[in-house]
Amino acid sequence: GAGVSQSPSNKVTEKGKDVELRCDPISGHTALYWYRQRLGQGLEFLIYFQGNSAPDKSGLPSDRFSAERTGESVSTLTIQRTQQEDSAVYLCASSQRTDYNEQFFGPGTRLTVL
Amino acid sequence: SQQGEEDPQALSIQEGENATMNCSYKTSINNLQWYRQNSGRGLVHLILIRSNEREKHSGRLRVTLDTSKKSSSLLITASRAADTASYFCATAYNYQLIWGAGTKLIIKP
Repeated sequence: GAGVSQSPSNKVTEKGKDVELRCDPISGHTALYWYRQRLGQGLEFLIYFQGNSAPDKSGLPSDRFSAERTGESVSTLTIQRTQQEDSAVYLCASSQRTDYNEQFFGPGTRLTVL
Repeated sequence: SQQGEEDPQALSIQEGENATMNCSYKTSINNLQWYRQNSGRGLVHLILIRSNEREKHSGRLRVTLDTSKKSSSLLITASRAADTASYFCATAYNYQLIWGAGTKLIIKP
């Protein structure tokens, strides 16, 4: 079956503009994660969705970042008033359960803020 | 914040040699996972070892876990050019995976 997909694959924007990143998880996966990866670094947790439970937003770096998920399907990560330090690859992952199963990652969206 | 610390940060070996990477972490874990990331296939899960396990094998991969030292090692035997990638350890804490900064592995032909 299809894996996790993300769009767009690349996004170049000007400082101050809003951007919206999309993630389509694997069908049937109840858990969805967003991460940020800066060049040469590991993954930084942003937000976690599990079914209809309230999301864990503890990793969001500022109130300019927000995310939504419709049921157990598509998720969107929105960054308002983008700053140059937001430039990174944004990765989405989904997991079948939350009992620490492996996470399946999308290809990421490379965001460049000029 | 990052919990795992991989060592070394970079490793360059000849094809056919074995590669060993280490990971240390700080808090209690439920399991520890190793992932590989390269430009061709993105981030891919390699192997998971639970906190009550000490060693696990998968093909050319061997993972050990020492919970008393809060450390893990990943051994890749008979390395191939296709193993060139960054390798990350991730520790499962509650429902999150906490990631290290990775080891960049280069296999020279």
